[in-house]
Amino acid sequence: QVTLKESGPALVKPTQTLTLTCTFSGFSLSATGMRVSWIRQPPGKALEWLARIDWDDDKFYNTSLETRLTISKDTSKNQVVLTMTNMDPVDTATYYCARTGDSGLSDYFDFWGQGTLVTVSS
Amino acid sequence: SYELTQPPSVSVSPGQTARITCSADALPKQYASWYQQKPGQAPVLLIYKDSERPSGIPERFAGSSSGTTVTLTISGVQAEDEADYYCQSADSSVTYVVFGGGTRLTVL
Repeated sequence: QVTLKESGPALVKPTQTLTLTCTFSGFSLSATGMRVSWIRQPPGKALEWLARIDWDDDKFYNTSLETRLTISKDTSKNQVVLTMTNMDPVDTATYYCARTGDSGLSDYFDFWGQGTLVTVSS
Repeated sequence: SYELTQPPSVSVSPGQTARITCSADALPKQYASWYQQKPGQAPVLLIYKDSERPSGIPERFAGSSSGTTVTLTISGVQAEDEADYYCQSADSSVTYVVFGGGTRLTVL
């Protein structure tokens, strides 16, 4: 049974760095082909893909946010960590992690965490 | 930036067929996926690789592709299908994931 769960602060101040952790079970990120992504959704708005990390430690970022994002993994803990620097109120959103499948042409997200709401406010 | 275009809303009566479209220039060269999201819940994968259905997804959810448009068809719509639906694909570089703006399905 695949499960993912996000954890991190519910409230951050503008200019601070956000650190989110995705703890998962039911698969291993050291297994060939495995990938985990982060996706966010501002209140009432659409989904936005942020970043992906692969089993071989390849990393991919949304080009519009790339300078602010860092994704990493701890395979022994079954965790993926996302950091986002210089947080702004527009970054207020529910942040999801998701296991990422590879169709050969584009990713798809077959299992999602429940999401964690992060509010950016002073 | 690359965009996937969906209608903001679709309305259908129970038992009818709902069709939700998603358009973009690169779709003939990429696969699309579809997700259902109910209020306060995480998205659920309905369709991947344009028309493949994950295990556990009812057969009344079907995906198709034609040219620059992919379509999610929900046959025999039920009240429980009322939700937001998102298409998702990638730009021509394959490494950049993009979501559509979402379609709110209302069951009348």
